[in-house]
Amino acid sequence: EAGVTQFPSHSVIEKGQTVTLRCDPISGHDNLYWYRRVMGKEIKFLLHFVKESKQDESGMPNNRFLAERTGGTYSTLKVQPAELEDSGVYFCASSQEGLAGQNEQFFGPGTRLTVL
Amino acid sequence: GESVGLHLPTLSVQEGDNSIINCAYSNSASDYFIWYKQESGKGPQFIIDIRSNMDKRQGQRVTVLLNKTVKHLSLQIAATQPGDSAVYFCAEVDSGTYKYIFGTGTRLKVLA
Repeated sequence: EAGVTQFPSHSVIEKGQTVTLRCDPISGHDNLYWYRRVMGKEIKFLLHFVKESKQDESGMPNNRFLAERTGGTYSTLKVQPAELEDSGVYFCASSQEGLAGQNEQFFGPGTRLTVL
Repeated sequence: GESVGLHLPTLSVQEGDNSIINCAYSNSASDYFIWYKQESGKGPQFIIDIRSNMDKRQGQRVTVLLNKTVKHLSLQIAATQPGDSAVYFCAEVDSGTYKYIFGTGTRLKVLA
């Protein structure tokens, strides 16, 4: 079974440009999460989808970030306009509903975003 | 992929020795804990988990210990191998919110 996939693996853009990251979760997983890791720091939660609905977007840094999950399958994360501090690795994870809320999240390989 | 962070705490161990990686968590409501391993260019991969009603859980060559009194988690790797070299993250989970909170990570270097 295919794991979580992300595209692109790397993206280098200039400040002010727009970038769209894509995540394809494991088939059948209703939960989809976006995380970000800035160099040398912890992996930080951005938001959580349950199917096509945003369950929790408390980690989104600001309104330059827009996440969508139309149809409840793949998700996109758009950054517009990108700023230097947006550089980092963006991870996507997916999970099924687990017992007592303990649902293992499976991570994708990440998209490394560099804003120049 | 991602290169390893330059300023991560680093643990260097000799091949064949045991490794202990520590993690402090912050939320008393967290009731589920997970250790992840991240190799260069890959996403975090699940290693082992533990629920808050346990204080120890063993896997293959790995053991997780949980001390809820001091909010401390550790990962023990027996007979460390070169393939264990990676960045290790602990994550705490509040099963009410499903939100994962990750630690900063520790880089494990295995010396031949």
